[in-house]
Amino acid sequence: QVQLVQSGAGVKKPGSSVKVSCKASGGTFNSYPFSWVRQAPGQGLEWVGGIIPMFGTTNYAQKFQGRVTIIADESTSTVYMELSSLKYEDTAVYYCARVNGLVMIIPVGAFDLWGQGTMVTVSA
Amino acid sequence: DIVMTQSPDSLAVSLGERATINCKSGQTILYSSDNKNYLAWYQQKSGQPPKLLIHWASTRESGVPDRFSGSGSGTDFTLTISSLQAEDVAVYYCQQYYSTPYTFGQGTMLEIK
Repeated sequence: QVQLVQSGAGVKKPGSSVKVSCKASGGTFNSYPFSWVRQAPGQGLEWVGGIIPMFGTTNYAQKFQGRVTIIADESTSTVYMELSSLKYEDTAVYYCARVNGLVMIIPVGAFDLWGQGTMVTVSA
Repeated sequence: DIVMTQSPDSLAVSLGERATINCKSGQTILYSSDNKNYLAWYQQKSGQPPKLLIHWASTRESGVPDRFSGSGSGTDFTLTISSLQAEDVAVYYCQQYYSTPYTFGQGTMLEIK
């Protein structure tokens, strides 16, 4: 059974960076795209960006362009999301999620598997 | 960006009764080349990650009870729980994956009356 296991929670200072990992175990890794979604406390879901490990191609929400970097390490079946220049409003639970389809080089599908979430708190 | 709007924001339904949640997209999410609606429904229980219930607007994910069903096309969609169970208390989100940025509705909180 495929599982996505994320790194632990952390507290970061404003202006610093955070890197969250998401390791896929028990299944094929590079056949699927992955996305990152965040959820601020008591709020809804917001897509941050995604990657297709097979091609290394990324796609970021305009809101995070220039601050977010998503990479994949196929040797360890791990996807990483790094967010820089952290602001208080970046405080959120960050989830990785697998996209359940790929057509040519385009992710096509819903998010069928989710990590447990990583709480990132931005605090001075 | 495609705006997804859910209604209502919250809903209280008696056990065994029907629950209906609506989702409207700001533009069509029906892709003409494959005639598929690029819409998913998720259930999120307190303290847990979202769980995929329905994709392609009406295809139930494996293992999801058949009391959950999705319908609609184009810009208007509905999630129906035919007979509410206690374990269905959660927040429900619709999501479009027609184009990036993928966007979610604001969520509908479902409670027991």
